[in-house]
Amino acid sequence: DAGVIQSPRHEVTEMGQEVTLRCKPISGHDYLFWYRQTMMRGLELLIYFNNNVPIDDSGMPEDRFSAKMPNASFSTLKIQPSEPRDSAVYFCASSFGTSGLRETNTQYFGPGTRLTVL
Amino acid sequence: GQSLEQPSEVTAVEGAIVQINCTYQTSGFYGLSWYQQHDGGAPTFLSYNGLDGLEETGRFSSFLSRSDSYGYLLLQELQMKDSASYFCAVSGYSTLTFGKGTMLLVSP
Repeated sequence: DAGVIQSPRHEVTEMGQEVTLRCKPISGHDYLFWYRQTMMRGLELLIYFNNNVPIDDSGMPEDRFSAKMPNASFSTLKIQPSEPRDSAVYFCASSFGTSGLRETNTQYFGPGTRLTVL
Repeated sequence: GQSLEQPSEVTAVEGAIVQINCTYQTSGFYGLSWYQQHDGGAPTFLSYNGLDGLEETGRFSSFLSRSDSYGYLLLQELQMKDSASYFCAVSGYSTLTFGKGTMLLVSP
């Protein structure tokens, strides 16, 4: 398997523009997670899906952020309108599921999208 | 809620042993994971403790004590390539909550 795939790897945009980040999870994984990483706040969970259904979006900073998972192999995170404080690295991760077992708890991260909003 | 504490930075020399501690407070707990992240890279899984005790994977070992809400990652025979950030993460029912990370600097 190619692992979790994210695109684009880098995105530079101007304030007010719409940004769409894309993710393809590992085939067979039931869970998909979107994280944001900054120096100040560390690695924050934004939203996660189970079998394509959003389960918890309490980490989404505000209404400018939205995420979808139309099928098991694709998810998007959209920011509209973007602001300079949204500049961060956004990671997508996937896992088999949840339980006390190592095999299902392990999350596999994509390479991330480095977003810069000017 | 959940919170984790780990040192922000640790320095060591090649060949040495280093221990990175992690204490946590959580309302729901399945286990403690450790992830490694090189500068500019993605977090990658290192180790998971679902039960108390020591888990060993090559040069890396991880320990968990549920009664003390405490765990650590032990890195032996340090190499330059081990210079990275190390994150402990608490496993809840569905998610991971990550600590702020410990930057390990390995010098020659």
